[in-house]
Parts: sequence; C-alpha cells; structure tokens
Amino acid sequence: GENVEQHPSTLSVQEGDSAVIKCTYSDSASNYFPWYKQELGKRPQLIIDIRSNVGEKKDQRIAVTLNKTAKHFSLHITETQPEDSAVYFCAPNGGSGGGADGLTFGKGTHLIIQP
Amino acid sequence: GAGVSQTPSNKVTEKGKYVELRCDPISGHTALYWYRQSLGQGPEFLIYFQGTGAADDSGLPNDRFFAVRPEGSVSTLKIQRTERGDSAVYLCASSPGAGSYEQYFGPGTRLTVT
Repeated sequence: GENVEQHPSTLSVQEGDSAVIKCTYSDSASNYFPWYKQELGKRPQLIIDIRSNVGEKKDQRIAVTLNKTAKHFSLHITETQPEDSAVYFCAPNGGSGGGADGLTFGKGTHLIIQP
Repeated sequence: GAGVSQTPSNKVTEKGKYVELRCDPISGHTALYWYRQSLGQGPEFLIYFQGTGAADDSGLPNDRFFAVRPEGSVSTLKIQRTERGDSAVYLCASSPGAGSYEQYFGPGTRLTVT
C-alpha cells in the first residue's frame, strides 16, 4: 500500500512569512495529490490539489508543487495570516490509476502562525 | 448547495453493541467514501462506493465492519460487536465522479465505545 510521510510535524512561522510543508509518497501509480486543512473539531477542508500531468498550481496565497520523479509534493503558503493556523494533511490517492481511489493521509503538520 | 451530512453527530454505545452511522452525500455525487480518524492522526480510508457497489473495501479493519449504499445515494456504515478500539470520528466524503477526483467531507460522527 501507499506509504505517506509529511514534514515537518509542527511548523511555527511569523505572521506574514511563508510556510512550506513537504509530502513524500511511495506509490508511483498515484495520480492525484490534494492538500486538506483541518481546524480543531472541524471536518477536513480541501484547499488545493494537483494532478500528475501538472507540475505546479497556484490559488491566491497557496500553491502546490509536484515532483513525480522524486515522488514528493509540497504545499506553499505565502503572507501567512492567523487564520492559516490549523493542521494540514497531504493525501495522495491510491494506485489503481483511476483517480477515484481512497486517499492515504499523512500524519499532518500543525501550522502555528505567531502574531 | 448542501454539503455532505452525517448523523448522528455523536454516538455513545456500550462495548458489544451494534451501531449504524449514516451519510448523506452531496446531491449528484456518484462516489462515496468512509474514513476513520483517531485523535491526533490523519483520516484512514475504510471503503469506497461507486454508485451502489463497493469498489474498494480494503480498508475495513475486520468483518465486524460493513457498509451499504443500496440506492446509490445515502450510505450506512454498520459496526457489530463494538470494541473500545472502535472509538474514533467516522468521516464520510463524496466526489462527483466522472473524472473529477475532489473529495468533500462531512462533519463526522464521533463514536465512543464505553
């Protein structure tokens, strides 16, 4: 099965600075790479995703980059704000190649924005 | 429009009892997923439906767990002979299907087995 690792487990940055979270995965057949944000007691919320035929995708202050050869993808958040504080999960899909497989979540990164 | 909904939001049951957890997906979404999230961990995949059929049930931990989606919309996760280790938040997600892979999560059901 898919082995997913996320680093760092905790990240503390000053408000306004950038944050980068990296995710490595093992299954070369994975073709869908989302990032989820989860606030305490709330549901996971899809914030950005990328497919394997694209190297980078950006949406305002957040971006995702994918290196399929090295089997890792990263979340980039610029101009961080207090409301960005949450746990972030990477969750590549399974290896059937069909795209609609179940997701394998990393252990999460606790992002803390210091005012 | 309405998002994914789950009922009940909380369920407390005694060890050995049977429980059912319900998921209402976003209208029109053909794919439905169940996950389980323990405290401090990421969600763990359990089972995935495409329409009425289970396309992948490889994440179900044992035969005490079963899920159905008889009409291709609402799904029920059933747990027999509950154990204290089953305590977790059970999350449901739905996806449009047809080449769209985004999964949208419901608020979850917090199951506590005493």
